[in-house]
Amino acid sequence: AQKITQTQPGMFVQEKEAVTLDCTYDTSDPSYGLFWYKQPSSGEMIFLIYQGSYDQQNATEGRYSLNFQKARKSANLVISASQLGDSAMYFCAISEGYQKVTFGTGTKLQVIP
Amino acid sequence: SAVISQKPSRDICQRGTSLTIQCQVDSQVTMMFWYRQQPGQSLTLIATANQGSEATYESGFVIDKFPISRPNLTFSTLTVSNMSPEDSSIYLCSALMGQGKGEAFFGQGTRLTVV
Repeated sequence: AQKITQTQPGMFVQEKEAVTLDCTYDTSDPSYGLFWYKQPSSGEMIFLIYQGSYDQQNATEGRYSLNFQKARKSANLVISASQLGDSAMYFCAISEGYQKVTFGTGTKLQVIP
Repeated sequence: SAVISQKPSRDICQRGTSLTIQCQVDSQVTMMFWYRQQPGQSLTLIATANQGSEATYESGFVIDKFPISRPNLTFSTLTVSNMSPEDSSIYLCSALMGQGKGEAFFGQGTRLTVV
């Protein structure tokens, strides 16, 4: 079974609107971390946000928030007030037992002016 | 956060040759990893670089093809051996800090083209 599933290969959003990128995960380990990364066309991997399995609050970092629904094994990324510079690939990832990080297939986000 | 310097940033190599990629972290880290990202694909873990011992390889990757060194807690190398055009990819170094709780950073990547 896939550890991370991103069902949206591509998404469009209007500039200044909010967008939600979906991510579900599969693990039996009670201790894990969930990550979101942004990869622009330049190829670098930019860390956006992290959620620990024991964290009570949903993580937020500026315009990024993580909608963590533990029972549903869901960790969706919400980007508020989209900007043209948000156009990129977005990867969800999991670290089981806080060990190696496994990535999903990614979602290509395009922000429309 | 950590600063991870990876070099070279890109290279074009002849088939049958080898390339060594270096990864330097500006602080001691608990774990270091090497990933491959083929064009249009996600990141695939090659191996975990273990300090002072042999790397732990994922299924489909072997030491003879991808030898890895990690002589200390801040430095690692990945060699792509006996290259073929199928090895053309981006190779990324990653460091996991703070017992993996929220701190996983990447180098800039090495864009390798084999001709």
